[in-house]
Amino acid sequence: AQTVTQSQPEMSVQEAETVTLSCTYDTSESDYYLFWYKQPPSRQMILVIRQEAYKQQNATENRFSVNFQKAAKSFSLKISDSQLGDAAMYFCAYRSATGTASKLTFGTGTRLQVTL
Amino acid sequence: EADIYQTPRYLVIGTGKKITLECSQTMGHDKMYWYQQDPGMELHLIHYSYGVNSTEKGDLSSESTVSRIRTEHFPLTLESARPSHTSQYLCASSEYGQPKETQYFGPGTRLLVL
Repeated sequence: AQTVTQSQPEMSVQEAETVTLSCTYDTSESDYYLFWYKQPPSRQMILVIRQEAYKQQNATENRFSVNFQKAAKSFSLKISDSQLGDAAMYFCAYRSATGTASKLTFGTGTRLQVTL
Repeated sequence: EADIYQTPRYLVIGTGKKITLECSQTMGHDKMYWYQQDPGMELHLIHYSYGVNSTEKGDLSSESTVSRIRTEHFPLTLESARPSHTSQYLCASSEYGQPKETQYFGPGTRLLVL
């Protein structure tokens, strides 16, 4: 079974600074997808960024980028130019590329605080 | 934000009551999911559906049941609520066909069973 580990329960960053959230995972599969989801307080969980395991190039979405290290099974999220609206719980998630169930396995989350 | 809706958003109910949590999506997605999320904890899949008349149990055992009579609707029912059912329940949906199967989440229902 796959597991996802987020070792940072809480992180804090000053507005306009850069922060990196860590995620490691364990799997015996070679083909899979990794996701970062953001869950603001009392609001819907939304997808931040997605990485296909077969792609060596790191995914980027505006101020959000990942550092995907397949051999190390590491998938960190970098948020540049942090904004107050980035404050939220961030969940790392894994999905197998095989089968049709499309089930996500989530980490325990990292709460990000953004200070002035 | 995605077009997936959950009602009620908050529910406080007494032990032994029957409850139904509603989930609807207007995106025409075939796949739908129910997750349970305790405070400060990760999400655990409790039910999912590939389409109409298809339901499967997820990774976390749950006393709840689901039905999928219409594509857009995926309600979750607890026949007899207990305090151990207190949690947040998140519904999600995705379009069939990789790699586009990004899951879109509803706002969640916070359930408190007294």
